[in-house]
Amino acid sequence: GAVVSQHPSWVICKSGTSVKIECRSLDFQATTMFWYRQFPKQSLMLMATSNEGSKATYEQGVEKDKFLINHASLTLSTLTVTSAHPEDSSFYICSAGGAEVDEQFFGPGTRLTVL
Amino acid sequence: AQKVTQAQTEISVVEKEDVTLDCVYETRDTTYYLFWYKQPPSGELVFLIRRNSFDEQNEISGRYSWNFQKSTSSFNFTITASQVVDSAVYFCALSVFNAGKSTFGDGTTLTVKP
Repeated sequence: GAVVSQHPSWVICKSGTSVKIECRSLDFQATTMFWYRQFPKQSLMLMATSNEGSKATYEQGVEKDKFLINHASLTLSTLTVTSAHPEDSSFYICSAGGAEVDEQFFGPGTRLTVL
Repeated sequence: AQKVTQAQTEISVVEKEDVTLDCVYETRDTTYYLFWYKQPPSGELVFLIRRNSFDEQNEISGRYSWNFQKSTSSFNFTITASQVVDSAVYFCALSVFNAGKSTFGDGTTLTVKP
């Protein structure tokens, strides 16, 4: 199956700083990528849909100015958590669509801890 | 809107027991996909199965089997002869055709004791 990578796999930062998380489709092109957030012992919640070459679509309740998404190429989407706070500490997972419609491949996730 | 319900929050079994994880879904769309994923402590989601709404055939893969019943909107997952390595959180998810994004259930934490 197709491979999706995320970088970094974990990050610790101080409150108030910004953190960028990368999501790459390694062996296929993805016009659409999705960003999910998972708090400890909870489910995955969709944050936003990242569209190559256009603005991201955010789910209700997700602050677009806080979670900046850029999908500049067919293989890379980035999520930047701006002015991070401890409540932003979470596991962030991206997924990318494959060649077959509705085929989704998940990245390994990025664990963010904000001190 | 879509909804996926996994009523069992935690299940604990002894090795070699069979265990069934329940999944009930809600959607107004007639065409959709259902998924099961395994999430070990590392966090990475492991894809187990995808089933489309037109295919109600049950599926077996080794010790794993899935029962899809459209009449009851359920997509249950059974592990036969469970093993300690099966311990993980299991998620059921639904994706509407052409939407790509998935709606996840709350997950069931399975603990298999030796």
